[in-house]
Amino acid sequence: KQEVTQIPAALSVPEGENLVLNCSFTDSAIYNLQWFRQDPGKGLTSLLLIQSSQREQTSGRLNASLDKSSGRSTLYIAASQPGDSATYLCAVRPLGYGQNFVFGPGTRLSVLP
Amino acid sequence: EAQVTQNPRYLITVTGKKLTVTCSQNMNHEYMSWYRQDPGLGLRQIYYSMNVEVTDKGDVPEGYKVSRKEKRNFPLILESPSPNQTSLYFCASGQGYYNSPLHFGNGTRLTVT
Repeated sequence: KQEVTQIPAALSVPEGENLVLNCSFTDSAIYNLQWFRQDPGKGLTSLLLIQSSQREQTSGRLNASLDKSSGRSTLYIAASQPGDSATYLCAVRPLGYGQNFVFGPGTRLSVLP
Repeated sequence: EAQVTQNPRYLITVTGKKLTVTCSQNMNHEYMSWYRQDPGLGLRQIYYSMNVEVTDKGDVPEGYKVSRKEKRNFPLILESPSPNQTSLYFCASGQGYYNSPLHFGNGTRLTVT
């Protein structure tokens, strides 16, 4: 059964720092991996989607990498800002029809001004 | 604006009183899904639909029903709500199942007393 973990569970950094969030999954048989952001009381916003054949994706200050064979993904946030404060979740889409998305528990990020 | 719309945002009800949470998307997406989010348990999939008239159970389908009569709508029905269904519910949609990002609604916070 696919399991997704995220480390750390919470992170607090001063504004301007570069930071890395980690996501690990147990089964490498996936279509893709997606990173989301969730603000308190809100839904999830898609940040980056990495297909299984890709190594990384970039959007602005965000860069996500995927190492499928080792079951790892990282989300790199450059020059963090207070507006980046949120919970970040990763999710994998397992291979096979009808396989449910599997979400990690999230990393709660606080960027201090 | 492309979006997934859930209603209501907040709902307080009593045990056994049937309710429906609506979900509508305006992106012509084929795939739609319902999740519940609980502290310590993360996001868990309730039901999903690969296309019109095609629905299937997720990880926690007990006590819920869905229907997909039209492409844009995917209501979640609780025939006889119980307190253990108190949760934050999210609807999500995607262009296809395999290689497209998920788009989430803003959530429905349900309290069953």
